[in-house]
Amino acid sequence: QQPVQSPQAVILREGEDAVINCSSSKALYSVHWYRQKHGEAPVFLMILLKGGEQKGHEKISASFNEKKQQSSLYLTASQLSYSGTYFCGTEDDGGYNKLIFGAGTRLAVHP
Amino acid sequence: DTEVTQTPKHLVMGMTNKKSLKCEQHMGHRAMYWYKQKAKKPPELMFVYSYEKLSINESVPSRFSPECPNSSLLNLHLHALQPEDSALYLCASSPRGTSSSYNEQFFGPGTRLTVL
Repeated sequence: QQPVQSPQAVILREGEDAVINCSSSKALYSVHWYRQKHGEAPVFLMILLKGGEQKGHEKISASFNEKKQQSSLYLTASQLSYSGTYFCGTEDDGGYNKLIFGAGTRLAVHP
Repeated sequence: DTEVTQTPKHLVMGMTNKKSLKCEQHMGHRAMYWYKQKAKKPPELMFVYSYEKLSINESVPSRFSPECPNSSLLNLHLHALQPEDSALYLCASSPRGTSSSYNEQFFGPGTRLTVL
C-alpha cells in the first residue's frame, strides 16, 4: 500500500525550515527518502531502519516512529539546491527490497 | 565507478516494434530494479532481481520482459507496447540482495520511452 506524504507542496525562502511527513498503515522494515529534480533521476537522501539505525547525508535529518509507522524528513536552513520533489519509499517487514513510493512533496526554495 | 548507466536516453517506437533497454552498474551491487515513472507521479516498481534471479514481478504485462545476464547488467525487452506505456523507465541498484541492513537504491538517469 502506498504511503501517504504530507504536505503535497511547500514554498520556502532560503534559510527557512520545512518538515515532510510520511505514514504507512503497515508495519515497516525501512523508510527511504529521495529527492528528484525535474528531468533527473531520484537521488538517495536517507534510509531509516526498524530498530533505530539510519544513514544519509550530513545536512539532512529524519526520524522514524516504528510504532506509528511514520517518518519525517527535516530540512533546515534551506538552500536553493533543495528544490525538487521529495519521495518517501517504504519497505514492509519482510519486504524483500520491495520499495513503495509515496506521491511526493514538491518543494520550491526561493531567494 | 559509482553510477548506474542506462541506454538509450530516449526511445521512440511503434506498437509493433521490439526494442530493449539496457542498465549497467559496476558497484558490485546484488539487487537491481526496474521502475516506471509517469509525469508528476512517483516511481512505480516493476521488477526486482536479487543475486541475478527475478525475485519480484509486480504483475507487469508480458509485453515487458526483464533479463539479468550477469550481476552488472539488466535488460528490459519491449514488444508490442501500447501508447499508455510511454513513460520514463528507471533502473536502480542496491548493495544487498536482501534487506538485511542498509539497502539504499541508486538510480540511473532513465530512458524516456515514447510509444506511437
